[in-house]
Order: sequence, then C-alpha cells, then structure tokens
Amino acid sequence: ILNVEQSPQSLHVQEGDSTNFTCSFPSSNFYALHWYRWETAKSPEALFVMTLNGDEKKKGRISATLNTKEGYSYLYIKGSQPEDSATYLCALMDSNYQLIWGAGTKLIIKP
Amino acid sequence: EAGVTQFPSHSVIEKGQTVTLRCDPISGHDNLYWYRRVMGKEIKFLLHFVKESKQDESGMPNNRFLAERTGGTYSTLKVQPAELEDSGVYFCASSQFQGAVKNIQYFGAGTRLSVL
Repeated sequence: ILNVEQSPQSLHVQEGDSTNFTCSFPSSNFYALHWYRWETAKSPEALFVMTLNGDEKKKGRISATLNTKEGYSYLYIKGSQPEDSATYLCALMDSNYQLIWGAGTKLIIKP
Repeated sequence: EAGVTQFPSHSVIEKGQTVTLRCDPISGHDNLYWYRRVMGKEIKFLLHFVKESKQDESGMPNNRFLAERTGGTYSTLKVQPAELEDSGVYFCASSQFQGAVKNIQYFGAGTRLSVL
C-alpha cells in the first residue's frame, strides 16, 4: 500500500525568501509522482509529473526533484511571492492509475 | 477551452437528505475521476470512469454513494441519505490519456458539502 507524507504541514515564509518542502514515500512502487498547487475554492493545478529517479522539472521560479531510491521529492520555490501562497499537494500514481495523495503543505508568504 | 466544471460550488444539507453533485469534464476526456477531501486530511480517490463505464470504484465509501456517467459525458455523484461524515470537498478530475507519463488529471474547483 502506497503511503505519502508531506512536511511540513504548514510554512510561513517572508516574501523574497526561497523555500522548499518535502514529499516522502516508503515505497517506490508507483508509476509517477505528481505535484499540484491548490488555492482554496479554486481548481488544483498540475505543476509537475515525474517518473524517473533523478528527474528534475522547472516551471518559472518553481522546481522539483525526485529521488526514488531514498524515497522523497522536493519542491523548491525561489524568491517567494505573495501569489505563491497555496497548498502544495504531492500524489503518487499507483498501478491502477489512482492518485494517492499526501495531506499537503500549506505555504503562506508574508509581505 | 473550458476546464472541468463542478456544480454546485457549495451545498449545505441536513443529515438524512439527498444531494447530487455534477461534474462536466473537459470535452474529449474519456477518463473522469471523483475524489473527496475531508477537512485537514488528504484527498482520497472515490472512483474512475472510462467513458460511461466504471473502471474502478474501490474508493466509494458505502452504498449511500452512487455515481453515474450516462453517455460518457458529464457525471453525477449522489449521496443518499447524507451523514455528518460525508462533509468535505468533492473534486472531479478528467484526463485524456491513461498510462503514467501523459495522465495529467485536470481538476474542477470542487463542491464543498456541509452536512448538518
């Protein structure tokens, strides 16, 4: 059974600072790891899909890495802006193509 | 191109009542998924349609929940009778492809269900 842990649960970051948070998983028996960004009352937005150990993806100031051997993925945000405030969700796609979700990291950017 | 739309955005009902949630996927997307997030917890899979067929309904909590996708277009999720523990945000997502790499699921904004 896949299990997804995200840490920290919430994070306050000063505007302009860079930050990162973690998605960890004890088993690498999954097809892909997805990162989503979710603002309350809006649609969760897909950020990255990663499948291979060592994958790195980048989208503007946001990037992610995947280490399946040690069981984690990091999401990095460089130079945080107020619009980065959201909950960042990590999900693993299992062999049935179901997404197994972590509880998310709630990021709050302080101006 | 319109995204995934869900209706209503918010529903407040009393325990024992019936509620029907609707999801319109992105046009052309054969795969449609329902998920639920109880406050403060992780999103949980409910079921997956491929066109009008239920591919996987292993996440449906019990027989008070009924999902349909007649004609393979929009889907409804009915809760009857609603219980307090059914409160949460119900998300719908659709995708064009199955498989791993291309299976990006596009989400609606969710229906926030409050059962009092």
